[in-house]
Amino acid sequence: GAGVSQTPSNKVTEKGKYVELRCDPISGHTALYWYRQSLGQGPEFLIYFQGTGAADDSGLPNDRFFAVRPEGSVSTLKIQRTERGDSAVYLCASSLDVNTEAFFGQGTRLTVV
Amino acid sequence: TQLLEQSPQFLSIQEGENLTVYCNSSSVFSSLQWYRQEPGEGPVLLVTVVTGGEVKKLKRLTFQFGDARKDSSLHITAAQPGDTGLYLCAGGGGGSNYKLTFGKGTLLTVNP
Repeated sequence: GAGVSQTPSNKVTEKGKYVELRCDPISGHTALYWYRQSLGQGPEFLIYFQGTGAADDSGLPNDRFFAVRPEGSVSTLKIQRTERGDSAVYLCASSLDVNTEAFFGQGTRLTVV
Repeated sequence: TQLLEQSPQFLSIQEGENLTVYCNSSSVFSSLQWYRQEPGEGPVLLVTVVTGGEVKKLKRLTFQFGDARKDSSLHITAAQPGDTGLYLCAGGGGGSNYKLTFGKGTLLTVNP
């Protein structure tokens, strides 16, 4: 595809369940970012990948959150034991490198009930 | 922690009016970006400013970076309904997209 693709678009899960959110970046983009946007807020940084490695995961709120990018392309954000406070839009972005324009996906709206 | 305050939070105007929205911080940023976000979509980059005092124009939009690189403004001339959206400013380091700090945004509605 031409842009960053995130699946699913919407996810409703029960409190305590495990969820995986997928991001397909633009082909050839080495840098990939995850952000979280709560209602009425701007996006908050979660984690940044350069290639396969997490260059900075300091934005992950706690150890229930984990992200991988095993082949340097697709990334998966994993949330264990979901809580109602995890409800938000999770945005993924990618760029050719860290100093060039980042393109955002449409986000995954996660609702924990 | 670096914070970006955006004002106003909400703005509703008529087509053809001019408007200015603001992005302020007590911290210095190496660069500042402005994005527009529409419902159900991710933010789309409008401009990046990196030099204190810099002014950039994008059609009817004028962006200014403060001399001290702590604040920025976005001015829209003759607003159109297509300008409706959430305008976000984001601060970064040296033009980098790494670990951007976003403001809460200004929700602009332009009525026909």
